[in-house]
Amino acid sequence: GAVVSQHPSRVICKSGTSVKIECRSLDFQATTMFWYRQFPKQSLMLMATSNEGSKATYEQGVEKDKFLINHASLTLSTLTVTSAHPEDSSFYICSARVSGGGYGYTFGSGTRLTVV
Amino acid sequence: AQSVTQLGSHVSVSEGALVLLRCNYSSSVPPYLFWYVQYPNQGLQLLLKYTSAATLVKGINGFEAEFKKSETSFHLTKPSAHMSDAAEYFCAVSSIGGSQGNLIFGKGTKLSVKP
Repeated sequence: GAVVSQHPSRVICKSGTSVKIECRSLDFQATTMFWYRQFPKQSLMLMATSNEGSKATYEQGVEKDKFLINHASLTLSTLTVTSAHPEDSSFYICSARVSGGGYGYTFGSGTRLTVV
Repeated sequence: AQSVTQLGSHVSVSEGALVLLRCNYSSSVPPYLFWYVQYPNQGLQLLLKYTSAATLVKGINGFEAEFKKSETSFHLTKPSAHMSDAAEYFCAVSSIGGSQGNLIFGKGTKLSVKP
């Protein structure tokens, strides 16, 4: 089945530094990647949608300069949290829409970001 | 606009008992509906999906859900709960042919299973 590999699974960084999260589609081409953020005991909130070779579309209220998304190839999308602050601590999950084998979505395993 | 409402943020059942997790949706276009399970600090695993074919959908691990248009519901059931079913469950909706095509999630229901 379609697999998205997300790394790192867990990262701790100092306030003011940047962190990059990678999502790779292992056995299919992900033309569209969705990035979600999940606060403790809450649901997933869509942050942005990235399409290969074009600029990402950000949801209202999401700072595009803080959360940089790059989707340079059909198998790799990255989310960089720039100048991270403790309030950016959260669980970030990527998801790709799978067009073959029926309409569906596959998710990365998530990244737990802790900013200290 | 589309939305999903999950009734009950926390459901507790005994091992072997029926599991019923409720989901109601709102959509102005024919929806695609999904149930996902999430274990702590992990991503989401698809349990089942409805994509306008059979209204009774069977998924993995013995789960199934029935799409009821008249009730705008897509409740998840399992005849007999196992301890390993304890997790967070999310219902989600996506629009057919939507420009973005992203999933819209409910707030989730935490399922606890008592021995």
